[in-house]
Amino acid sequence: GENVEQHPSTLSVQEGDSAVIKCTYSDSASNYFPWYKQELGKRPQLIIDIRSNVGEKKDQRIAVTLNKTAKHFSLHITETQPEDSAVYFCAAPSPGGGNKLTFGTGTQLKVEL
Amino acid sequence: AAGVIQSPRHLIKEKRETATLKCYPIPRHDTVYWYQQGPGQDPQFLISFYEKMQSDKGSIPDRFSAQQFSDYHSELNMSSLELGDSALYFCASSLVLYGYTFGSGTRLTVV
Repeated sequence: GENVEQHPSTLSVQEGDSAVIKCTYSDSASNYFPWYKQELGKRPQLIIDIRSNVGEKKDQRIAVTLNKTAKHFSLHITETQPEDSAVYFCAAPSPGGGNKLTFGTGTQLKVEL
Repeated sequence: AAGVIQSPRHLIKEKRETATLKCYPIPRHDTVYWYQQGPGQDPQFLISFYEKMQSDKGSIPDRFSAQQFSDYHSELNMSSLELGDSALYFCASSLVLYGYTFGSGTRLTVV
């Protein structure tokens, strides 16, 4: 099945700095890569996604880049704010049909004042 | 916009009891998924349904079963509960793979 690895597991940045979270995947046929933000005890919420026909997608302070050759994709958050503090999960489709996602192990992002 | 509705939000059960979790997907979404998330862990896929038929099965114990009904809502039935079943259970729905949206989850505590 799909193997999704996510790094780092924890990330601490100063307010205003940038944060980058990286994920690698194993199935070269994967074509959809969402990122979720999860606050403590709440549901994962989709913040941005990218399909394999583009290399980069941006939405205000958030961007995702995809390198299909290397099979990795990254989340970039610029001008971080305290409310960006949360756990971020990357995901990729699991092979074999059913449209299920395999999640990375999560990154705990802490934005310090 | 309508979201994925899950009930109950919290549930406390004793060991060996049975629990039923309910999920109402976003209208016109054709796929429903169930995930289990332990403390500090990523969501683990349990089972999914596409157009009311089971479409995929993950790490779901034999003690658990699920189904999707004619109105597209889904129920996860958990029997012979164990302490290790305590977790957040999320339902998600999507149209094919896109618009993948999670419900607010049910926090199950087994005591």
